[in-house]
Amino acid sequence: DVKVTQSSRYLVKRTGEKVFLECVQDMDHENMFWYRQDPGLGLRLIYFSYDVKMKEKGDIPEGYSVSREKKERFSLILESASTNQTSMYLCASSPRGVLQETQYFGPGTRLLVL
Amino acid sequence: DAKTTQPPSMDCAEGRAANLPCNHSTISGNEYVYWYRQIHSQGPQYIIHGLKNNETNEMASLIITEDRKSSTLILPHATLRDTAVYYCIVRVFGQTGANNLFFGTGTRLTVIP
Repeated sequence: DVKVTQSSRYLVKRTGEKVFLECVQDMDHENMFWYRQDPGLGLRLIYFSYDVKMKEKGDIPEGYSVSREKKERFSLILESASTNQTSMYLCASSPRGVLQETQYFGPGTRLLVL
Repeated sequence: DAKTTQPPSMDCAEGRAANLPCNHSTISGNEYVYWYRQIHSQGPQYIIHGLKNNETNEMASLIITEDRKSSTLILPHATLRDTAVYYCIVRVFGQTGANNLFFGTGTRLTVIP
């Protein structure tokens, strides 16, 4: 079974803090994604990566950065957290190839910025 | 990517078949229909996908109309654990570049004991 794990299920941070969200997948997938999910807005793509050290902006990259130093790990960084970044953050991975559109999601991190 | 329309909510009795509809009238010839679901407080889970033929796997069946403008996800024997939000997405299979999925607001299925 594909397993995507995220470092925290719940996180509370203060405005201005630097926040790291870690995601690890154990299936040797090339592609990894970070989404945020907000009520009424569905999932919105923040960043994705299709290889180590490669990254591409998604729909809402402002205020975020990412790091992919190893194939299995994709980190999302909030350089200076703001209250409008309070959200559910979801990491996903997918293999390159025949079923690359089948994404496997982690359990999510619910972030509250005070 | 084509837009999809789903009813916001549905109920289904436990043990009965749950039929979840999705309209995608602007779907193009090379776009696939995907279904995911999200159980409360968990990440989305892939269910099934198809192009024009009906598909079945261990979780569900997917019925796509001949004109491909709509589809139905069928959970043959719904259980309480199937209570979730179900998302219908249309997407070009194998598209390079932005490999993201657009999730709308989905259908909240409640399975009633």
